[in-house]
Formats: sequence, structure tokens, C-alpha cells
Amino acid sequence: DTGVSQNPRHKITKRGQNVTFRCDPISEHNRLYWYRQTLGQGPEFLTYFQNEAQLEKSRLLSDRFSAERPKGSFSTLEIQRTEQGDSAMYLCASSGTGEQDQETQYFGPGTRLLVL
Amino acid sequence: AQKVTQAQTEISVVEKEDVTLDCVYETRDTTYYLFWYKQPPSGELVFLIRRNSFDEQNEISGRYSWNFQKSTSSFNFTITASQVVDSAVYFCALISDSSYKLIFGSGTRLLVRP
Repeated sequence: DTGVSQNPRHKITKRGQNVTFRCDPISEHNRLYWYRQTLGQGPEFLTYFQNEAQLEKSRLLSDRFSAERPKGSFSTLEIQRTEQGDSAMYLCASSGTGEQDQETQYFGPGTRLLVL
Repeated sequence: AQKVTQAQTEISVVEKEDVTLDCVYETRDTTYYLFWYKQPPSGELVFLIRRNSFDEQNEISGRYSWNFQKSTSSFNFTITASQVVDSAVYFCALISDSSYKLIFGSGTRLLVRP
């Protein structure tokens, strides 16, 4: 039983470049979430998908950020024109629709982004 | 507004000591869920426990136990006979029934020294 996977695990980029991260949820889960975690803080919600529909977006998700989940399977998070303030850990989580698991989000290992 | 407060930024104990991590939450919702996650140095958040707002029974799982008290809006986590492998950052989190957004506290870093 594989968990949530994320690629790449680490990304170093120069300011102004675009970056894209990928998340593969647990296979039977239909809900997928993106969070951002900066040093010394808890994760903060960015966006949420149910199947392929993006249902909620945080105000933290500026117009430079876009997330997609084509076909309701894997998801991508793209950051355009990166800024140094985008340096953080980007975490993906998924959850299922069974009664027990509906609200339990299982997290991937994260993608650590450093913008120089 | 919903909020989770973990007032202890960092705790250091010697192996085999018991340690309690505090969590206080705020919500106006009557149906909500509370969680604890562990984040080891590798970075992945590991799910430990989930509790719903209607179940105030304390829970024990091996060396871990949780004390949920609605009267004080607290959901504290105790590790008995701590081990070096328990060293990690521990997060308490809250989600209401009307949202899918987890609200995290700022975490407590636990260092267990041999």
C-alpha cells in the first residue's frame, strides 16, 4: 500500500524562474490538498481538490500560483516568477470518502523549495 | 475564527521521562475533529490520532496517550517512557465539519536525550 508521493523532493531555483511540483495521492483517495510550511511554523492550507474540481483556495495562493488535478488523479502545483519569499516546504495530502477516513489527511514527504 | 495554540515551542527531556505536549484550540463549530501529527527530521507529517468533538474518551496506544477535554478546549498528548526516536516536531491540528482545511498549531519540538 503506497502512500502519498511527491516529486521532486528538493528544488533550488533562481528568482524569477518557474517551478512545478507533482503529487500522487493514495490511489483510492478522491480528495487532495496542498499546504505550505515555512521554517518553525505549522503547515498552512493552500488549496483543495475533490476529484478534478478545485473547490477551495486560500488567499495565500496568489496569481503566481496555479494548481491542477487533471482526471482527478495526480496534481501539479506551479509557481511562476518565483520570489525568495516562496522558499518553503510544499506538502501534499490526500483523504478518502469512507466514513472513517473522510477527514483524516495523509501527507506526502513534501517538496522543499529554495529560491536564490 | 478557528485557532490552535501550542504554547510549548521546545521541550527537552532525558530518555525514559514522561512528557506532555499541550494543545488548546478555538472553534465555534459544534462538530469538529482534532489531530496530532509527528514530523521527524525527514519532513513527512505522520498521522498519529484523530478525535471527533463528540468523543471525549481518553485514548491510549502503547506509550502514547491523549486527553481530550472540551471544557477547557484542550487536547493534550503524553508520551510515557520517552525514547530517542520520539524526537520530532509534533503538531496539533483542527478541522471543522464544514471545511476540509486543517488548521495547525505552530508545533512543539521534542528532544529526547539519551
